[in-house]
Amino acid sequence: DVKVTQSSRYLVKRTGEKVFLECVQDMDHENMFWYRQDPGLGLRLIYFSYDVKMKEKGDIPEGYSVSREKKERFSLILESASTNQTSMYLCASSLGAGGAAEAFFGQGTRLTVV
Amino acid sequence: AQSVTQLGSHVSVSEGALVLLRCNYSSSVPPYLFWYVQYPNQGLQLLLKYTTGATLVKGINGFEAEFKKSETSFHLTKPSAHMSDAAEYFCAAKTQGGSEKLVFGKGTKLTVNP
Repeated sequence: DVKVTQSSRYLVKRTGEKVFLECVQDMDHENMFWYRQDPGLGLRLIYFSYDVKMKEKGDIPEGYSVSREKKERFSLILESASTNQTSMYLCASSLGAGGAAEAFFGQGTRLTVV
Repeated sequence: AQSVTQLGSHVSVSEGALVLLRCNYSSSVPPYLFWYVQYPNQGLQLLLKYTTGATLVKGINGFEAEFKKSETSFHLTKPSAHMSDAAEYFCAAKTQGGSEKLVFGKGTKLTVNP
């Protein structure tokens, strides 16, 4: 089974803190993604990476950065957490380029910024 | 840019009734299309996907979806709802031969009444 593992299910952080969300996949997938999920807004893409050290901005990258130093690991960084970043964060991975491969999702990290 | 529209943010059916969840995509070239399900406090799980070929696609848990190019639609159906089908459903699209980014609809929350 493909497994995408997010390091925390629930996190509570203070405004202004630097926050790291970690994601690891075990299927040697080239592509990894970070989405943010909010009620009524669906899933919005923050960043994605199609190779080690390669990244591309998604639809809502402001306030976030990412790091992919190894193929299996993709980190989302909130440089200075704010209350409007309270949300569910979902990591996903997929195989290949240009094909019909589906994305596999982690369990999500529910982040609360107080 | 690709967009996905799900009609109805909430759908309520009785147990045993037909489930119909609507999805329309925007591109003139048919994309790859996916339906995902999300149970409370969990990540997304793939139900089914359309690539090319057969327009009626069967998925897990008795769900199926029909791709209709003339209507730019990919509606999800199940003949008889079960209580365990209560969840949120997301339609997603990916451009053929293009970016690996999945574009999601805003989701439809399905309630199944006894």
